[in-house]
Amino acid sequence: DIQMTQSPSSLSASVGDRVTITCRASQSISSYLNWYQQKPGKAPKLLIYAASSLQSGVPSRFSGSGSGTDFTLTISSLQPEDFATYYCQQSYSTPRVTFGPGTKVDIK
Amino acid sequence: EVQLVESGGGLVQPGGSLRLSCAASGFTFSSYEMNWVRQAPGKGLEWVSYISSSGSTIYYADSVKGRFTISRDNAKNSLYLQMNSLRAEDTAVYYCARGVRYSNYFDYWGQGTLVTVSS
Repeated sequence: DIQMTQSPSSLSASVGDRVTITCRASQSISSYLNWYQQKPGKAPKLLIYAASSLQSGVPSRFSGSGSGTDFTLTISSLQPEDFATYYCQQSYSTPRVTFGPGTKVDIK
Repeated sequence: EVQLVESGGGLVQPGGSLRLSCAASGFTFSSYEMNWVRQAPGKGLEWVSYISSSGSTIYYADSVKGRFTISRDNAKNSLYLQMNSLRAEDTAVYYCARGVRYSNYFDYWGQGTLVTVSS
């Protein structure tokens, strides 16, 4: 099974900050990496698919990059509505997919 | 508008059974692969099961294989998860999620239904 790790596990940031979250796969997954945002009590929401493609309707301050084993999610200017937990997901071994453990972004 | 609405969750004793349903609307259900994903309280996301658009191909996570059964009724635009021999570690919010063809990332999710396994 492909294992996913994320760093940091949590971070505190201020509105307007640039935030970067890292996701690493236990083996190469090409660009089969997706990012989700989840707010408390809500279902996850797809932000980025195929490592760098922005899902329709998602603000352009979100971006993704990487390939192989190392990936990043960047929020260029953190907004109040962005405080949430972010999960990466590999879909290389589709349909058996795995998620990272999550990164919680909260207010400094 | 795409909508996925889960139902059927509740409190069940260890060893018991429960059947979850997911009602789909706003898209051609029979054209899409579907999944169940769960989240234990305070924990991360865990993929549980996948079913192809026709229902002919099915996969399970090792943690539920042999105990859970995924199925779908395309005529009723519905997805199901039959859960047997439930354990305390199956306690979670269960989400149905639409898979993107051939890639199985999830572009739409339901609101989730809580399953609690406890005596």
